[in-house]
Amino acid sequence: SYVLTQPPSVSVAPGKTARITCGGNNIGSKSVHWYQQKPGQAPVLVIYYDSDRPSGIPERFSGSNSGNTATLTISRVEAGDEADYYCQVWDSSSDHYVVFGGGTKLTVL
Amino acid sequence: EVQLVESGGGLVQPGGSLRLSCAASGFTFSSYWMHWVRQAPGKGLVWVSRINSDGSSTSYADSVKGRFTISRDNAKNTLYLQMNSLRAEDTAVYYCARDSGGGNSDFDYWGQGTLVTVSS
Repeated sequence: SYVLTQPPSVSVAPGKTARITCGGNNIGSKSVHWYQQKPGQAPVLVIYYDSDRPSGIPERFSGSNSGNTATLTISRVEAGDEADYYCQVWDSSSDHYVVFGGGTKLTVL
Repeated sequence: EVQLVESGGGLVQPGGSLRLSCAASGFTFSSYWMHWVRQAPGKGLVWVSRINSDGSSTSYADSVKGRFTISRDNAKNTLYLQMNSLRAEDTAVYYCARDSGGGNSDFDYWGQGTLVTVSS
């Protein structure tokens, strides 16, 4: 089955740029979606189809996808961005069809 | 405003059954694929099942295949998950989520989740 690999944690100072990676075999050929989940809350879509941003999501959130790595970039990080972030793809060859990465805890220092 | 509200969670003994519901409002429910995603305590998101817009096509993760059944009632704008032969490892918060596209897209709206605890 298809596997998505995320770093367990990323730390960044306020005002700096955070980059969260999502690795997968030839992930660049797939569409990647990103979700933010704060403690005790449901996930929220922050990036879809690699780099599109839903309405209401700040422009500070951006995404890219190429080769074996997709990246969620958060510019000018704020304390309120502290959360878990999950990447997700659809994989028709996988028993699970929908595959999530293991999640990355973003800590704002 | 799109709303998804899950209900039906609770404590159940191993081997027992439970039916979850997800009441949808604020959009044309019958036009969208829907999914169930679960999250064990302190763990990540795991996809469970999906159903197409008219209920004629379903898919399941291997871990629940043969035990869980997804269904929908478009007249009632409600999604269901019938869970049988429950195991301790099924303990999780269960979320319903709307698929923005044709069953293989992003999940643009999520419910608040309902907790299922399988324990004796």
